[in-house]
Amino acid sequence: KAGVTQTPRYLIKTRGQQVTLSCSPISGHRSVSWYQQTPGQGLQFLFEYFSETQRNKGNFPGRFSGRQFSNSRSEMNVSTLELGDSALYLCASSFSSGSKTDTQYFGPGTRLTVL
Amino acid sequence: KQEVTQIPAALSVPEGENLVLNCSFTDSAIYNLQWFRQDPGKGLTSLLLIQSSQREQTSGRLNASLDKSSGRSTLYIAASQPGDSATYLCAGGGGGADGLTFGKGTHLIIQP
Repeated sequence: KAGVTQTPRYLIKTRGQQVTLSCSPISGHRSVSWYQQTPGQGLQFLFEYFSETQRNKGNFPGRFSGRQFSNSRSEMNVSTLELGDSALYLCASSFSSGSKTDTQYFGPGTRLTVL
Repeated sequence: KQEVTQIPAALSVPEGENLVLNCSFTDSAIYNLQWFRQDPGKGLTSLLLIQSSQREQTSGRLNASLDKSSGRSTLYIAASQPGDSATYLCAGGGGGADGLTFGKGTHLIIQP
């Protein structure tokens, strides 16, 4: 069974631009969560989607948004990029209810660099 | 607000030793505790998941325990190998937080 895939793997953007990252979960998984990883803050939860609905949201500004499609694939969008948005963005999928009961399976991440 | 702490931040041991990584959390109302490893520049690999009703889980040379009353979890690695070198992260699910709350990790080096 294929694992979680994320595209693109690397991105370089400039301040003020916007970016869209994509995540395809493991087949049959309906929950997708997004995390930001930086050297200073570590891994921080962004949001979780289940059956096309945002279930939970972390403490990030409104510039960070996401959506989930009927095939469970998810996209994350960051508008008006700032230098501090440079990070590794990880998505994780699970079968049903996300972090509360199921094992989270992570993708390889998208490395975003903002210049 | 759930906070997760991992001690030590870094650890270097010779090959073959048994070792213990520690994880503590502030809110005992967690649903589960997961251990992951992360290799440089890579995503996270799930190692073990302990539900709140369980006390421990085992997979091969790895054993993880959970003590909700004391707010602690440990990951025991038996007969360490150079391939075990990685950053090990623990994360709590629930506990008043949305999503997983991660510790900063323990950077482990196994010397050949």
